[in-house]
Amino acid sequence: EPEVTQTPSHQVTQMGQEVILRCVPISNHLYFYWYRQILGQKVEFLVSFYNNEISEKSEIFDDQFSVERPDGSNFTLKIRSTKLEDSAMYFCASSFFDRVGTDTQYFGPGTRLTVL
Amino acid sequence: AQTVTQSQPEMSVQEAETVTLSCTYDTSESDYYLFWYKQPPSRQMILVIRQEAYKQQNATENRFSVNFQKAAKSFSLKISDSQLGDAAMYFCAYNAGKSTFGDGTTLTVKP
Repeated sequence: EPEVTQTPSHQVTQMGQEVILRCVPISNHLYFYWYRQILGQKVEFLVSFYNNEISEKSEIFDDQFSVERPDGSNFTLKIRSTKLEDSAMYFCASSFFDRVGTDTQYFGPGTRLTVL
Repeated sequence: AQTVTQSQPEMSVQEAETVTLSCTYDTSESDYYLFWYKQPPSRQMILVIRQEAYKQQNATENRFSVNFQKAAKSFSLKISDSQLGDAAMYFCAYNAGKSTFGDGTTLTVKP
C-alpha cells in the first residue's frame, strides 16, 4: 500500500540554524500539508499546498517557514532560523482531493525536530 | 473557525471490554469528513476510521465503529473487544480541506 515517507526521522539542530524537512507524498496525490505537534499538545495545521503554491496557511506559518516542491516527488518544509519553540514533531500529509470531495489525508511517520 | 473538542483527556478499559471515546465539533460547513487517528508512543498518526458527513450510516472498521450525530455535531468512537495494542492517544479530526484536531484522549487498556 502506498504511503507517505518523511526524512529524517529525527533532526537535532542548534538555535538559529536552517533546517529542511523532507517528505515524499503518495504519488498520485495532488494536495500536500504540513502539521506540527509540540510534545504533549494537539496536532496543528501549518500549511497546505496545491498546484505549486500555498493554498492556505495558519498563523504559525510565519516568514521563517517556507515550503517547496522542488521536483515531482519531494515536498519540503524549510525553517530558516530555528527557535527553541520550533522543537516538535512535524507531520507531512497528502490527499488526492481537497474540500468538496474531500479525501482522506494520509500522514507520514513524522520528523522529530529538536532545537538546542 | 472550526473547533474539535475531546472532553476525556484519559480513558481506561479492561481488555476484551468496550470503550467509547467522545468528540464534538463546531462547523458551519455541510461537506466535511471526520476521522479518528491513533497515535502510539512512536508518535506516528494512524488512521483508524473515517466518516463522510453526507452519509447517514455510521462507519465501521472491524472492532472500531462510530456514532455520528450530524445535528448534534457529535462523533464518538467505540472500540469493542479492546486489546492491549489499542492503548494509545486517540485524536478526533475534522476535515474540510485542512484538518483540525482535538486535544486527544489517552486510552489505557488493562490486562
